Amino acid sequence: GDSVTQMEGPVTLSEEAFLTINCTYTATGYPSLFWYVQYPGEGLQLLLKATKADDKGSNKGFEATYRKETTSFHLEKGSVQVSDSAVYFCALSGSNAGNMLTFGGGTRLMVKP
Amino acid sequence: DAGITQSPRHKVTETGTPVTLRCHQTENHRYMYWYRQDPGHGLRLIHYSYGVKDTDKGEVSDGYSVSRSKTEDFLLTLESATSSQTSVYFCATKGGNQGSNEQYFGPGTRLTVT
Repeated sequence: GDSVTQMEGPVTLSEEAFLTINCTYTATGYPSLFWYVQYPGEGLQLLLKATKADDKGSNKGFEATYRKETTSFHLEKGSVQVSDSAVYFCALSGSNAGNMLTFGGGTRLMVKP
Repeated sequence: DAGITQSPRHKVTETGTPVTLRCHQTENHRYMYWYRQDPGHGLRLIHYSYGVKDTDKGEVSDGYSVSRSKTEDFLLTLESATSSQTSVYFCATKGGNQGSNEQYFGPGTRLTVT
């Protein structure tokens, strides 16, 4: 079945550092890929998405490129802020009947001033 | 943001008691989902619905049942709560458009079974 693997955290960075959170997936067909962000005490918010190979999703300075050859969708940001501290989830939507999402385990990011 | 509310937001209950969680949406989305979130597991799908009275099981459906009698409401029931069902429960919705496959999430319900 479908699966998503993302790097375990927590990831601790200083403000303005470069961020990479790795995400790889296993799926049949051509899944859509997503990054969701969860701030403390809140639900998940869609951060960005990509629906086909070589697509780049971007939002709020975050980027991720759909790499079919390496089955990866790594999240990057050039300069993190304290306000980016949150848990980040990589997810895919496969070709199943209910368009269900399969999530990675989440990566907690802590940004220090 | 899709208008998704969940109730209650917090609940403490005893082992063996029935519990019902409610998800309400105002977006007229066709699909609705119940997930549970546990440390190290991300979110795992419990049940989902693809229309009124149309539901199906997800990855971790044992011990849970659902009902959807109206487009806007999706209920999750724990018939006899167990400590392993202590978790944070999230509802999500998705529109029926073929080109739109992202899901929108509610704020969550924290359930503690003692």
